[in-house]
Amino acid sequence: KAGVTQTPRYLIKTRGQQVTLSCSPISGHRSVSWYQQTPGQGLQFLFEYFSETQRNKGNFPGRFSGRQFSNSRSEMNVSTLELGDSALYLCASSLLAGGPTDTQYFGPGTRLTVL
Amino acid sequence: DQQVKQNSPSLSVQEGRISILNCDYTNSMFDYFLWYKKYPAEGPTFLISISSIKDKNEDGRFTVFLNKSAKHLSLHIVPSQPGDSAVYFCAAKSEGGSEKLVFGKGTKLTVNP
Repeated sequence: KAGVTQTPRYLIKTRGQQVTLSCSPISGHRSVSWYQQTPGQGLQFLFEYFSETQRNKGNFPGRFSGRQFSNSRSEMNVSTLELGDSALYLCASSLLAGGPTDTQYFGPGTRLTVL
Repeated sequence: DQQVKQNSPSLSVQEGRISILNCDYTNSMFDYFLWYKKYPAEGPTFLISISSIKDKNEDGRFTVFLNKSAKHLSLHIVPSQPGDSAVYFCAAKSEGGSEKLVFGKGTKLTVNP
């Protein structure tokens, strides 16, 4: 069974631009979550989607948004990029949303560099 | 406010010895805990988890211990191998149906041959 896939793996943008990252969950997984990893803040939760609905959102500005499609694939968008948005963006999927023992499996991440 | 803390940024052990990685949490609503291993430029790889109704879970060389009263968990790796060298993250999830994981800042483990 294929794991979580993320595209692109690497991205370079300039300040003010916008970017869209894509995530395909493990087949059959219905919940997709996004995280940002930076050296200073570690891994921080961005948002979670289940059945095309955002179920939870982390403490990030409105420039960060996402969506989920009917096939569970998800995209996240960052508008008006800032230098501080440079990070590794990780997507994770789990089989059953809300189960207490659900395990999230992570993709390889998208490394975003903002110049 | 850091709800999950890994107070040791790094740990170095000899091959064959035990590695013990520690994690403390402050939120009593957390009811499920996970350990992930991460190599640079890769996503975290799930290692082992434990529910708050248990105090120990074992999987091969990896054992996680949970002390709810102390809000403390630890990951034991026995015996340690050079391939175990990576950054280890402790993560916690709270009841209520959300998949949100709260991560510690990680501990870099180096296993010396």
